[in-house]
Amino acid sequence: AQKITQTQPGMFVQEKEAVTLDCTYDTSDPSYGLFWYKQPSSGEMIFPIYQGSYDQQNATEGRYSLNFQKARKSANLVISASQLGDSAMYFCAMRESVIIQGAQKLVFGQGTRLTINP
Amino acid sequence: GAGVSQTPSNKVTEKGKYVELRCDPISGHTALYWYRQSLGQGPEFLIYFQGTGAADDSGLPNDRFFAVRPEGSVSTLKIQRTERGDSAVYLCASSLLRSSGGLLTGELFFGEGSRLTVL
Repeated sequence: AQKITQTQPGMFVQEKEAVTLDCTYDTSDPSYGLFWYKQPSSGEMIFPIYQGSYDQQNATEGRYSLNFQKARKSANLVISASQLGDSAMYFCAMRESVIIQGAQKLVFGQGTRLTINP
Repeated sequence: GAGVSQTPSNKVTEKGKYVELRCDPISGHTALYWYRQSLGQGPEFLIYFQGTGAADDSGLPNDRFFAVRPEGSVSTLKIQRTERGDSAVYLCASSLLRSSGGLLTGELFFGEGSRLTVL
């Protein structure tokens, strides 16, 4: 079963506008972590933001914020005041882990290609 | 080095050949992961090491794939009798797992990947 769903293959946004990238997930585990990764054309995966399932506040890192709606199982990434350098592939990922001795693998979505237009 | 280092960055080989891909994680990171990313897809999990042992190898596609981490640091992904379908970018990541409120947390830091092309 698909664990992470990203429904937007591509997004085009004007520079300085805000953009929301959608992510929904499926898990029966009460304890999990949600990640968003940025992958520019160089190929490196860059980690901008993380949300734990028990975190009370939505995660925020600079211009990145995560709109975490636990009941809906969604974890959308919001980028405010977009910049040309934000153009990249963005992947939503989930890790299920309640076991102290070992951590589970990250499961990635299909990704959204974000293009910021000048 | 400061980040996860992977070599080679590019590898072109012929069908049926043997290939080794190397990953040097961030110093002190106990967990090491291998992922495979096909064109236009998200990374797919292959195997995860905690220390020297493979804690989860459920993502290895078949017995042609094998990975080792003999001293708990550098890891090598080995692919025997390569096939054209093995062509992909192989990503390595490491993390320093810590316990927080009964949960294991710690973000993954990825290398730039090894692009494998099987002709």
